[in-house]
Amino acid sequence: AQSVTQPDIHITVSEGASLELRCNYSYGATPYLFWYVQSPGQGLQLLLKYFSGDTLVQGIKGFEAEFKRSQSSFNLRKPSVHWSDAAEYFCAVYAGNMLTFGGGTRLMVKP
Amino acid sequence: NAGVTQTPKFQVLKTGQSMTLQCAQDMNHEYMSWYRQDPGMGLRLIHYSVGAGITDQGEVPNGYNVSRSTTEDFPLRLLSAAPSQTSVYFCASSLRQTNTEAFFGQGTRLTVV
Repeated sequence: AQSVTQPDIHITVSEGASLELRCNYSYGATPYLFWYVQSPGQGLQLLLKYFSGDTLVQGIKGFEAEFKRSQSSFNLRKPSVHWSDAAEYFCAVYAGNMLTFGGGTRLMVKP
Repeated sequence: NAGVTQTPKFQVLKTGQSMTLQCAQDMNHEYMSWYRQDPGMGLRLIHYSVGAGITDQGEVPNGYNVSRSTTEDFPLRLLSAAPSQTSVYFCASSLRQTNTEAFFGQGTRLTVV
C-alpha cells in the first residue's frame, strides 16, 4: 500500500522569503502526485499535480513542485511567500483507486 | 455551479445515536469519496464509489456505511456513533476514478459526546 510522509508539521517563514515543503512517498510504481492547500475552516484546493513528463510542475498561486524518483520526493516550493499563503498543505499520492494523504504541514507567515 | 455540497456543517451526537452526513455534487462526476480529518493524521479515506451502485472500503471503514443510488449523491451513515468518530468529515468528487483533480466539500464537523 502507498504512504505519504510530510516530515515538517509546522513551518514558519517571513513574508517574502522562499519556501520549501517536503513530501516523501512510498509506492512501487510511478505515482500520481498532488499538493493540496487548506485554508482555515475550508475544504481542500488543488495546487498542482504530477502524472508524467516534465518533473518540474507549475501550479496556481506561484507554487511549483519537483518530482525526484531517486529520492521518492515531491517537494513544494515558492520563491516568495505572501501572508495569504498561511494555511495547511497536504501532499497526496493516487494509486489503487485511492488518494492517500500525508499528515500535513501548517505554514505560518511572519510579517 | 455549486460543486460539492455537504450538510450539515456542524453536528453533535450522543454516543450510540445514528445519523447520515449528506454529500451531493452537480458536476456529473463518476468518483466520490469520504474522508475524515484528524489533527496530525491528514485525511484518511473511509469509503469511495466509482459510480452509481458501486462502493468500496477505504482505509478506515469500520462504523460507517455508504450507498450510491444516484450519480449525484453519496451519503455517509454512522450506525452507532462513538467518541472516536469525533472528526471533520470531507466529501470529494472527481470526474473519473483515475488521476483527475478531486473537488472537496466544505466539511462537516462532528462531535460525539
